[in-house]
Amino acid sequence: DAKTTQPTSMDCAEGRAANLPCNHSTISGNEYVYWYRQIHSQGPQYIIHGLKNNETNEMASLIITEDRKSSTLILPHATLRDTAVYYCIVRQNTGTASKLTFGTGTRLQVTL
Amino acid sequence: NAGVMQNPRHLVRRRGQEARLRCSPMKGHSHVYWYRQLPEEGLKFMVYLQKENIIDESGMPKERFSAEFPKEGPSILRIQQVVRGDSAAYFCASSHQETQYFGPGTRLLVL
Repeated sequence: DAKTTQPTSMDCAEGRAANLPCNHSTISGNEYVYWYRQIHSQGPQYIIHGLKNNETNEMASLIITEDRKSSTLILPHATLRDTAVYYCIVRQNTGTASKLTFGTGTRLQVTL
Repeated sequence: NAGVMQNPRHLVRRRGQEARLRCSPMKGHSHVYWYRQLPEEGLKFMVYLQKENIIDESGMPKERFSAEFPKEGPSILRIQQVVRGDSAAYFCASSHQETQYFGPGTRLLVL
């Protein structure tokens, strides 16, 4: 699976949009971009994933650049409960699903 | 639809004892994964199982660790003769196809 690069930490004011970047310049054509978050040592929580089109669900939006070498996770209205470590993971979706390789992620701190 | 369940949530063992961690996947999920998170570190993949089969155990320590996912019942991660370095959070995830959903974890403390 391709390697990802994320900023170590970010701050965001409550109510504002949180934009979390991820670089995955070596991504290959059949690899998806997944985002998970981990709130204070709880189990990782799935947020969203995509291949090349932008995706949106009730939690977040995922914007993938046209060359697919980077992406941005957007939390449109961050709250204090969004404070967590956010992981960007690139992996193939094989017929038999494969492991997730977690990096160090971005520690997002949402403040009042 | 109940999520992934793990028990116990906390487990204390003395060095040399055995630890058994259980994972019940989400309903309809036949793939189970175990990950370990050492203190202040990221999650590391350990093993991937389907019903009665180990698919990928590339992250499992060669000794003392074993995993199973029987036809009936939960998946079990077994650690024999625990040492202090085994103290960690152990997370289980399950999937139907590609997306993995995680349980709350078992926190193992070895005294």
